[in-house]
This record gives sequence, C-alpha cells and structure tokens, in this order.
Amino acid sequence: AQKVTQAQTEISVVEKEDVTLDCVYETRDTTYYLFWYKQPPSGELVFLIRRNSFDEQNEISGRYSWNFQKSTSSFNFTITASQVVDSAVYFCALNRYSGAGSYQLTFGKGTKLSVIP
Amino acid sequence: EAQVTQNPRYLITVTGKKLTVTCSQNMNHEYMSWYRQDPGLGLRQIYYSMNVEVTDKGDVPEGYKVSRKEKRNFPLILESPSPNQTSLYFCASRGLAGAVETQYFGPGTRLLVL
Repeated sequence: AQKVTQAQTEISVVEKEDVTLDCVYETRDTTYYLFWYKQPPSGELVFLIRRNSFDEQNEISGRYSWNFQKSTSSFNFTITASQVVDSAVYFCALNRYSGAGSYQLTFGKGTKLSVIP
Repeated sequence: EAQVTQNPRYLITVTGKKLTVTCSQNMNHEYMSWYRQDPGLGLRQIYYSMNVEVTDKGDVPEGYKVSRKEKRNFPLILESPSPNQTSLYFCASRGLAGAVETQYFGPGTRLLVL
C-alpha cells in the first residue's frame, strides 16, 4: 500500500526565515507522481507542484523549491524568506499510476505553517 | 476560466435525510474524484471516476454513492447521512494545465450532520 508521511504537524517561523516541510512516501510502484498543495485559511486547495518519479531534478519557483530524493523516498519543500501569506496547511500527495488510466491519490496529513510577523 | 464548482458550500442536515452535493467542471476532464478532509487525517479519497459511467471506490466509500452520467458532473450522494460524515468535502478533476497534468479542486463543501 502507498503511504505519505508528513512528520511535522505544525511549524512556526518568524517572517523572512527559511523553512523546510518534510514529506516521506512509501510505494511499491516504479512509476508515480508526487504533489504539493497549499490550503490557506480560506480553505481552498491550491496546486503547487507535480513531480514524476523519473525526474529527480530539483525545482525552484520564486521563493519555493523542492528537493526530490528517490533514494530516501523524500520530496521536501522549502520556502525561502517566508512571508505571512505563506501561513497555511501544506499537503504532500502521492499519485500511483496504474497504466490503465486509473490511479489513487494519497495525501499526507498536512503540515500547518504559521509565519509570525 | 477553468474551474470546479461545488454546491452547496455549507450544509447543515439531520441524520437520515438524503442529500446530494453537486460537482461540475468546465475543463472537459475525464477524471473526477471526491475527497473528505478531517482534522488530523488529511484528505481521503471517497470515490473516483475515470470517465462517464465509470466509477470506483477510493479509501473511504462507505455511506456514499456517486454517479457520472455526464462528463462535466460528478455528484456525491449521501443516502442516509450520519454524524460521522460531518466533514469538509472536496471535488476534484484532473487534466492538463499547459504541459503539466494537474488536479484541480473545488472550493469545498462543509457538511454538518446532526
């Protein structure tokens, strides 16, 4: 069975600090996709990034960066120079691809990030 | 504008009174799904649909039904709601955003079953 673990339940940082959110996953599949979503206090889910299992390149998008390490089954998310608007719950998710068009998306339990001004 | 809509956004009901939460997407996506979000449990998939008339169970399907008669709509049906179905529900559809396959979520439906 597949599983996503976000060990950090809550994190608080002071504005402008860097923060890394950890995500560790388990799957027996060789082909899979990993996602990060942001859920601000307003409740909607905002897509941040998708990474497939064949692509281990790290990615940077503005203040956000992602470190995918297949050897340790981790897909960590770093926010540089955090801002109050980054305060949200962040979810890591694993999408198992079956090849027949079907899949199941499994979410971690989320990490609540609070950025203090 | 590409979007997933859900209605109602908020609902208070009583045990046993059948209800339907509608979900509609305007992106012609084939894949749609329903999730529930509960404190400390994250999001769990209830049902998903790969195309019209093709649905399958997710992790927590008990007490729910779905149908997919048209591509754009994927309603979630609670035939006899119980208090343990009090939750925040999200509908989602999957498709391409540029060259990247992305799952789009609706705004959520907060359900309280008394």
